[in-house]
Amino acid sequence: GAGVSQSPRYKVAKRGQDVALRCDPISGHVSLFWYQQALGQGPEFLTYFQNEAQLDKSGLPSDRFFAERPEGSVSTLKIQRTQQEDSAVYLCASSLKRTGADEAFFGQGTRLTVV
Amino acid sequence: AQSVSQHNHHVILSEAASLELGCNYSYGGTVNLFWYVQYPGQHLQLLLKYFSGDPLVKGIKGFEAEFIKSKFSFNLRKPSVQWSDTAEYFCAVKRRLTGGGNKLTFGTGTQLKVEL
Repeated sequence: GAGVSQSPRYKVAKRGQDVALRCDPISGHVSLFWYQQALGQGPEFLTYFQNEAQLDKSGLPSDRFFAERPEGSVSTLKIQRTQQEDSAVYLCASSLKRTGADEAFFGQGTRLTVV
Repeated sequence: AQSVSQHNHHVILSEAASLELGCNYSYGGTVNLFWYVQYPGQHLQLLLKYFSGDPLVKGIKGFEAEFIKSKFSFNLRKPSVQWSDTAEYFCAVKRRLTGGGNKLTFGTGTQLKVEL
């Protein structure tokens, strides 16, 4: 596809349930980012991949959050034992260059609601 | 703490009015600066960016921004807004990550509503 694709667009999870959010970056993009956007806030950095290597996960809020990109393309963000404070829009972005210093292209996000 | 501040959270303008949205950052040293826009129901899109050179940057749809290093500011401007500019606007700073690569640090956003 032409852009970054995320699925599902909406996810409702019961508290304690595990969820998996998928990101298909633009083909050929080396850098991939996950961001979390709470209501009324700007996106907050979660983690960064350069190809399949997770170079930075300093923004992951707890050890319940886990991200992977095993073949250097599609990425999955997994949240275990979801809590209400995990409710947010999760954004994926990709960029062409290795450093991620060029323009980042964003997907439409997955809106997670934990009830 | 390092941060990006957007002082106007909600702005309402009439069509043809001039727009200026404030953005201040608290990082020292070299910064790369961005403005992103999110139209209703759509994804974040890049409006313009500053890496180096001319501090007055022109972007898409008639937007421009001026980098003033001494004021740590990167304000967004448009001389005459249109109804279609109704959107949320985010200022962001790109910073290096310790392990390699870069990340964006965003402000809280400004919701702009343009009335006919």
